[in-house]
Amino acid sequence: EDQVTQSPEALRLQEGESSSLNCSYTVSGLRGLFWYRQDPGKGPEFLFTLYSAGEEKEKERLKATLTKKESFLHITAPKPEDSATYLCAVNWVEAGNMLTFGGGTRLMVKP
Amino acid sequence: DTEVTQTPKHLVMGMTNKKSLKCEQHMGHRAMYWYKQKAKKPPELMFVYSYEKLSINESVPSRFSPECPNSSLLNLHLHALQPEDSALYLCASSHLAREQFFGPGTRLTVL
Repeated sequence: EDQVTQSPEALRLQEGESSSLNCSYTVSGLRGLFWYRQDPGKGPEFLFTLYSAGEEKEKERLKATLTKKESFLHITAPKPEDSATYLCAVNWVEAGNMLTFGGGTRLMVKP
Repeated sequence: DTEVTQTPKHLVMGMTNKKSLKCEQHMGHRAMYWYKQKAKKPPELMFVYSYEKLSINESVPSRFSPECPNSSLLNLHLHALQPEDSALYLCASSHLAREQFFGPGTRLTVL
């Protein structure tokens, strides 16, 4: 059973069309949920860490939220430069230092 | 400074060659990681070092040999690789059980 699931797998938006990406998890004892952005052929770029349900973090057009079973990455008025793959990952009590990644959402924003 | 550096950026090697990938961080992180990433897939954990000791080896073939000479450096020695080992190899570092910061990766091609 997958412990971290992201949806949708791919998303196409028009510039300015706001939307949300989903990351659901089934682990117990969550210690942190992490969002990353990855451009093709490059390493993932850290965006946010969320630790507890109800927590929210914002950075420019991105806002991440966390509930007890899922996280959302809201993209407000996206621009073409927001096109990338967005990865979420979780760490939980029994995982030590390990992260478990979701499959990612490939976002394409058209001008 | 949240930078992790990796060298080389690109590497092409034959199946009989021996080569090494290098990773360096100066953030005082005591956990360092090697990941392998195939196209359109999330990073796949290979090795974890905590306090310069190998703590996790995710059943990686012995043709991959990690080394942690000190708290800032991480190497991955490669020998007798197969074409299916061609991938993006990522290094990351973190404080224990916290967000991981990734390097830009080494694009490895095995001929």
